Amino acid sequence: GAVVSQHPSWVICKSGTSVKIECRSLDFQATTMFWYRQFPKQSLMLMATSNEGSKATYEQGVEKDKFLINHASLTLSTLTVTSAHPEDSSFYICSAPGPGAVQETQYFGPGTRLLVL
Amino acid sequence: LAKTTQPISMDSYEGQEVNITCSHNNIATNDYITWYQQFPSQGPRFIIQGYKTKVTNEVASLFIPADRKSSTLSLPRVSLSDTAVYYCLVGLTASKLTFGTGTRLQVTL
Repeated sequence: GAVVSQHPSWVICKSGTSVKIECRSLDFQATTMFWYRQFPKQSLMLMATSNEGSKATYEQGVEKDKFLINHASLTLSTLTVTSAHPEDSSFYICSAPGPGAVQETQYFGPGTRLLVL
Repeated sequence: LAKTTQPISMDSYEGQEVNITCSHNNIATNDYITWYQQFPSQGPRFIIQGYKTKVTNEVASLFIPADRKSSTLSLPRVSLSDTAVYYCLVGLTASKLTFGTGTRLQVTL
């Protein structure tokens, strides 16, 4: 099946710095990608929808100036956590609808573990 | 987006068949039902997807009654490696997905 990759797989940063996470669709194009956040022992929470060539759509309660999303190409979406703080420490996961039929399943990346000190 | 309800957790012994039922009373006509598996510190992995009746693949079966208000994921002869969280999602899979609580399956010897 289709593969979605993320980079880095984990990152540790100091409070106040910005961190960029990449999400790539391998061997297929994705005009839309989704970003999720998952805290320990909790479910995935959708943060935003990344749209190639246009602005991202953020879910209610997600600060768009805090979590900058750029969908620069048909295979790459980036999430930048600006001025990260310890409460931003979480597991960030992206997904993309696979190629093919309308009801193609979504493929998830392996996730990025962010720890803010 | 249709809301789903699943048991929070289930326990099973290795070699048994496990059935996880998900309720989705507000499922829309065009919605599909998809199940994902997630291991700790990994992204969800697609297991199976269906629209109605029964779907079977190499790892699981999905049973969907005629009214489509629920679905049951069946895992035959589970092993320790099947210990994971299983999510039932309903919707157009190319669109954004809303994850429920999931079912934490613990398989023991």
